[in-house]
Amino acid sequence: EVQLVESGGGVVRPGGSLRLSCAASGFTFDDYGMSWVRQAPGKGLEWVSGINWNGGSTGYADSVKGRFTISRDNAKNSLYLQMNSLRAEDTALYHCARGYMDVWGKGTTVTVSS
Amino acid sequence: DIVMTQTPLSLSVTPGQPASISCKSSQSLLHSDGKTYLYWYLQKPGQSPQLLIYEVSSRFSGVPDRFSGSGSGTDFTLKISRVEAEDVGVYYCMQGIHLPPLFTFGPGTKVDIK
Repeated sequence: EVQLVESGGGVVRPGGSLRLSCAASGFTFDDYGMSWVRQAPGKGLEWVSGINWNGGSTGYADSVKGRFTISRDNAKNSLYLQMNSLRAEDTALYHCARGYMDVWGKGTTVTVSS
Repeated sequence: DIVMTQTPLSLSVTPGQPASISCKSSQSLLHSDGKTYLYWYLQKPGQSPQLLIYEVSSRFSGVPDRFSGSGSGTDFTLKISRVEAEDVGVYYCMQGIHLPPLFTFGPGTKVDIK
Protein backbone atom coordinates (compact mmCIF):
# COMPACT_ATOMS: atom_id res chain seq x y z
CA GLU A 1 0.00 0.00 0.00
CA VAL A 2 1.29 3.43 -0.94
CA GLN A 3 1.61 5.44 2.25
CA LEU A 4 3.06 8.64 3.66
CA VAL A 5 3.30 9.08 7.43
CA GLU A 6 4.33 12.39 8.96
CA SER A 7 5.79 12.85 12.41
CA GLY A 8 7.64 15.42 14.48
CA GLY A 9 4.93 17.97 15.12
CA GLY A 10 4.32 19.49 18.52
CA VAL A 11 4.01 22.67 20.52
CA VAL A 12 6.89 25.11 20.31
CA ARG A 13 7.49 28.67 21.47
CA PRO A 14 7.89 31.52 18.96
CA GLY A 15 11.44 31.56 17.70
CA GLY A 16 11.85 27.84 18.31
CA SER A 17 12.61 24.99 15.92
CA LEU A 18 11.08 21.69 14.88
CA ARG A 19 12.03 18.99 12.40
CA LEU A 20 9.23 17.20 10.60
CA SER A 21 9.69 13.80 9.01
CA CYS A 22 7.68 11.94 6.40
CA ALA A 23 8.16 8.19 5.98
CA ALA A 24 7.23 6.84 2.57
CA SER A 25 6.35 3.25 1.76
CA GLY A 26 4.76 1.20 -0.99
CA PHE A 27 6.43 2.99 -3.90
CA THR A 28 9.86 3.83 -5.29
CA PHE A 29 10.58 6.97 -3.31
CA ASP A 30 13.35 8.34 -5.50
CA ASP A 31 11.10 8.28 -8.55
CA TYR A 32 9.22 11.29 -7.21
CA GLY A 33 9.57 14.88 -6.22
CA MET A 34 7.96 15.61 -2.85
CA SER A 35 6.28 18.55 -1.18
CA TRP A 36 5.17 19.84 2.20
CA VAL A 37 1.74 21.49 2.26
CA ARG A 38 0.19 23.08 5.34
CA GLN A 39 -3.29 24.02 6.42
CA ALA A 40 -3.81 26.54 9.20
CA PRO A 41 -6.92 25.97 11.33
CA GLY A 42 -10.01 26.79 9.28
CA LYS A 43 -7.93 27.95 6.30
CA GLY A 44 -7.04 26.68 2.86
CA LEU A 45 -4.07 24.72 1.58
CA GLU A 46 -0.69 26.43 1.35
CA TRP A 47 2.25 24.85 -0.44
CA VAL A 48 5.28 25.28 1.82
CA SER A 49 8.22 23.61 0.11
CA GLY A 50 9.18 21.08 -2.53
CA ILE A 51 12.18 19.00 -3.55
CA ASN A 52 12.94 17.12 -6.73
CA TRP A 53 13.73 13.42 -6.83
CA ASN A 54 17.42 13.64 -5.92
CA GLY A 55 17.38 16.74 -3.74
CA GLY A 56 19.18 18.78 -6.35
CA SER A 57 16.38 21.31 -6.67
CA THR A 58 14.34 22.80 -3.86
CA GLY A 59 11.73 25.53 -3.61
CA TYR A 60 9.97 27.46 -0.87
CA ALA A 61 6.95 29.66 -0.39
CA ASP A 62 7.89 33.25 0.32
CA SER A 63 6.33 32.92 3.77
CA VAL A 64 8.95 30.39 4.88
CA LYS A 65 11.96 31.20 2.71
CA GLY A 66 15.11 31.54 4.80
CA ARG A 67 13.53 29.84 7.83
CA PHE A 68 12.59 26.35 6.58
CA THR A 69 14.80 23.78 4.86
CA ILE A 70 13.53 20.75 2.99
CA SER A 71 15.65 17.64 2.51
CA ARG A 72 15.31 13.97 1.73
CA ASP A 73 17.15 10.71 2.33
CA ASN A 74 16.34 8.32 -0.49
CA ALA A 75 18.13 5.46 1.27
CA LYS A 76 15.68 5.85 4.15
CA ASN A 77 12.63 6.68 2.01
CA SER A 78 12.21 9.81 4.06
CA LEU A 79 11.42 13.48 3.58
CA TYR A 80 12.22 16.17 6.12
CA LEU A 81 11.34 19.76 6.91
CA GLN A 82 13.60 21.69 9.27
CA MET A 83 11.63 24.64 10.63
CA ASN A 84 13.52 27.43 12.39
CA SER A 85 12.49 30.83 13.75
CA LEU A 86 8.92 29.62 14.06
CA ARG A 87 6.09 32.13 14.26
CA ALA A 88 2.51 31.96 15.43
CA GLU A 89 1.39 32.05 11.80
CA ASP A 90 3.24 28.77 11.15
CA THR A 91 0.66 26.98 13.29
CA ALA A 92 -0.94 24.41 11.00
CA LEU A 93 -1.41 20.79 10.03
CA TYR A 94 1.58 19.87 7.87
CA HIS A 95 1.12 17.25 5.15
CA CYS A 96 3.72 15.67 2.96
CA ALA A 97 2.60 14.85 -0.57
CA ARG A 98 4.03 12.82 -3.42
CA GLY A 99 4.86 14.19 -6.84
CA TYR A 100 2.01 16.25 -8.19
CA MET A 101 0.26 15.51 -4.93
CA ASP A 102 -1.46 12.32 -5.91
CA VAL A 103 -0.74 10.81 -2.49
CA TRP A 104 -1.03 12.67 0.82
CA GLY A 105 -0.22 11.81 4.38
CA LYS A 106 -2.63 12.50 7.21
CA GLY A 107 -0.42 15.28 8.52
CA THR A 108 1.32 16.30 11.72
CA THR A 109 0.23 19.31 13.78
CA VAL A 110 2.57 22.19 14.59
CA THR A 111 1.47 24.73 17.18
CA VAL A 112 3.57 27.83 17.80
CA SER A 113 2.51 29.50 20.99
CA SER A 114 4.00 31.16 24.03
CA ASP B 1 4.63 34.66 -8.52
CA ILE B 2 1.49 33.17 -10.03
CA VAL B 3 -1.74 33.93 -8.17
CA MET B 4 -4.69 31.56 -8.43
CA THR B 5 -8.27 32.71 -7.96
CA GLN B 6 -11.43 30.62 -7.78
CA THR B 7 -15.08 31.48 -8.22
CA PRO B 8 -17.41 31.01 -6.56
CA LEU B 9 -15.91 30.58 -3.10
CA SER B 10 -18.98 28.66 -1.99
CA LEU B 11 -21.63 26.70 -3.79
CA SER B 12 -24.79 24.97 -2.64
CA VAL B 13 -26.05 22.34 -5.06
CA THR B 14 -29.13 20.14 -5.29
CA PRO B 15 -28.22 16.45 -5.66
CA GLY B 16 -28.37 15.39 -9.28
CA GLN B 17 -27.75 18.91 -10.55
CA PRO B 18 -24.53 20.06 -12.24
CA ALA B 19 -21.91 22.27 -10.64
CA SER B 20 -19.06 24.29 -12.07
CA ILE B 21 -16.02 25.94 -10.47
CA SER B 22 -13.79 28.43 -12.24
CA CYS B 23 -10.08 28.81 -11.60
CA LYS B 24 -8.00 31.60 -13.07
CA SER B 25 -4.25 32.12 -12.98
CA SER B 26 -2.45 35.45 -13.10
CA GLN B 27 -0.32 34.20 -15.98
CA SER B 28 -0.45 31.43 -18.53
CA LEU B 29 0.17 27.94 -17.17
CA LEU B 30 1.29 26.58 -20.54
CA HIS B 31 4.79 25.25 -19.92
CA SER B 32 7.62 25.25 -22.45
CA ASP B 33 7.25 21.47 -22.66
CA GLY B 34 3.75 21.91 -24.08
CA LYS B 35 1.96 20.70 -20.96
CA THR B 36 -0.28 22.73 -18.67
CA TYR B 37 0.29 21.87 -15.02
CA LEU B 38 -3.12 22.60 -13.55
CA TYR B 39 -4.63 20.26 -10.99
CA TRP B 40 -7.89 19.91 -9.05
CA TYR B 41 -8.23 18.48 -5.55
CA LEU B 42 -11.14 17.75 -3.25
CA GLN B 43 -10.75 17.89 0.50
CA LYS B 44 -13.67 16.11 2.11
CA PRO B 45 -14.51 17.05 5.70
CA GLY B 46 -11.92 15.70 8.11
CA GLN B 47 -9.79 14.15 5.35
CA SER B 48 -6.57 14.89 3.52
CA PRO B 49 -6.98 16.33 0.03
CA GLN B 50 -7.39 13.91 -2.87
CA LEU B 51 -6.36 14.43 -6.47
CA LEU B 52 -9.25 14.57 -8.93
CA ILE B 53 -7.82 16.00 -12.16
CA TYR B 54 -4.26 16.42 -13.41
CA GLU B 55 -2.89 18.45 -16.29
CA VAL B 56 -6.18 20.28 -16.82
CA SER B 57 -8.39 17.46 -17.98
CA SER B 58 -7.08 14.01 -17.09
CA ARG B 59 -9.07 12.20 -14.43
CA PHE B 60 -6.97 10.54 -11.75
CA SER B 61 -7.37 6.83 -11.11
CA GLY B 62 -10.67 5.97 -9.47
CA VAL B 63 -12.26 9.38 -9.95
CA PRO B 64 -15.85 9.11 -11.18
CA ASP B 65 -16.50 10.28 -14.72
CA ARG B 66 -19.00 12.87 -13.49
CA PHE B 67 -15.91 15.00 -12.79
CA SER B 68 -14.32 16.76 -15.74
CA GLY B 69 -11.75 19.47 -16.20
CA SER B 70 -11.20 21.86 -19.06
CA GLY B 71 -9.49 25.08 -19.97
CA SER B 72 -6.25 26.51 -21.23
CA GLY B 73 -3.84 29.36 -20.68
CA THR B 74 -5.19 31.18 -17.66
CA ASP B 75 -8.81 30.00 -17.45
CA PHE B 76 -9.85 26.60 -16.17
CA THR B 77 -13.07 24.91 -15.09
CA LEU B 78 -14.00 21.89 -13.01
CA LYS B 79 -17.43 20.50 -13.74
CA ILE B 80 -19.47 17.94 -11.86
CA SER B 81 -22.18 16.65 -14.17
CA ARG B 82 -24.50 15.40 -11.42
CA VAL B 83 -23.56 16.26 -7.84
CA GLU B 84 -23.83 13.50 -5.27
CA ALA B 85 -23.86 13.79 -1.47
CA GLU B 86 -20.31 12.38 -1.30
CA ASP B 87 -19.00 15.31 -3.37
CA VAL B 88 -19.26 17.80 -0.49
CA GLY B 89 -16.06 19.45 0.61
CA VAL B 90 -13.62 22.09 -0.52
CA TYR B 91 -12.30 22.04 -4.07
CA TYR B 92 -8.88 23.52 -4.80
CA CYS B 93 -7.13 24.22 -8.06
CA MET B 94 -3.34 24.19 -8.03
CA GLN B 95 -0.62 25.04 -10.47
CA GLY B 96 3.04 24.15 -10.39
CA ILE B 97 6.04 22.17 -11.48
CA HIS B 98 8.86 20.29 -9.77
CA LEU B 99 11.82 21.83 -11.59
CA PRO B 100 12.31 24.05 -9.75
CA PRO B 101 9.63 23.20 -7.20
CA LEU B 102 7.01 25.93 -7.03
CA PHE B 103 3.30 25.39 -6.53
CA THR B 104 0.33 27.61 -5.77
CA PHE B 105 -3.13 26.64 -4.56
CA GLY B 106 -6.28 28.58 -5.20
CA PRO B 107 -8.29 29.74 -2.18
CA GLY B 108 -10.75 26.86 -2.40
CA THR B 109 -14.45 26.52 -3.20
CA LYS B 110 -16.68 25.03 -0.55
CA VAL B 111 -19.42 22.83 -1.99
CA ASP B 112 -22.36 21.65 0.06
CA ILE B 113 -25.67 20.01 -0.62
CA LYS B 114 -28.97 21.87 -0.50
